[in-house]
Amino acid sequence: EPEVTQTPSHQVTQMGQEVILRCVPISNHLYFYWYRQILGQKVEFLVSFYNNEISEKSEIFDDQFSVERPDGSNFTLKIRSTKLEDSAMYFCASRQHYGYTFGSGTRLTVV
Amino acid sequence: SQQGEEDPQALSIQEGENATMNCSYKTSINNLQWYRQNSGRGLVHLILIRSNEREKHSGRLRVTLDTSKKSSSLLITASRAADTASYFCATASDSNYQLIWGAGTKLIIKP
Repeated sequence: EPEVTQTPSHQVTQMGQEVILRCVPISNHLYFYWYRQILGQKVEFLVSFYNNEISEKSEIFDDQFSVERPDGSNFTLKIRSTKLEDSAMYFCASRQHYGYTFGSGTRLTVV
Repeated sequence: SQQGEEDPQALSIQEGENATMNCSYKTSINNLQWYRQNSGRGLVHLILIRSNEREKHSGRLRVTLDTSKKSSSLLITASRAADTASYFCATASDSNYQLIWGAGTKLIIKP
């Protein structure tokens, strides 16, 4: 069964550093998403991406965040200058119609 | 705004018993989805029910949707120890498919 692949599975970074979280969505999917889940809290929407541009973003997705689909297969989330409160599990997802497929997540720890 | 709210927050039952979890939401939806998450791991899509459907089955899972009450239930029959996980509902509206998540029910199956 097709999967959404996320790398790395864990990332530890120092506050103020830039991180790039990588995702390979399912190849024939058209819609791509990033969600995050702070430990013990709800999953929160960050951004959706369609037709090579952001279609929606949440209040969380401020100027420190950006997304790219650089080569038609990868879908990346960049955090320019990480803060302690960015520590969370970040999930990439893609969909073709109604159903989402989520990756297994990247656990980001900012120290 | 909070959309999906599950109850109970935690549920502990004996293996073999049935587990029922409920989800309520506030706004109109296109579909409602249930996901499972093992501790600290990825989100696994279980089942999607559209707003024009009332009940759906998948293996030992049964989902109901009552749009007049803005609520859904997930029933797991003949529970197994491996069903121990957190279960989340998430809703998608007609205007966008951004998922809005509940806080989850932590299910523990005692052997």
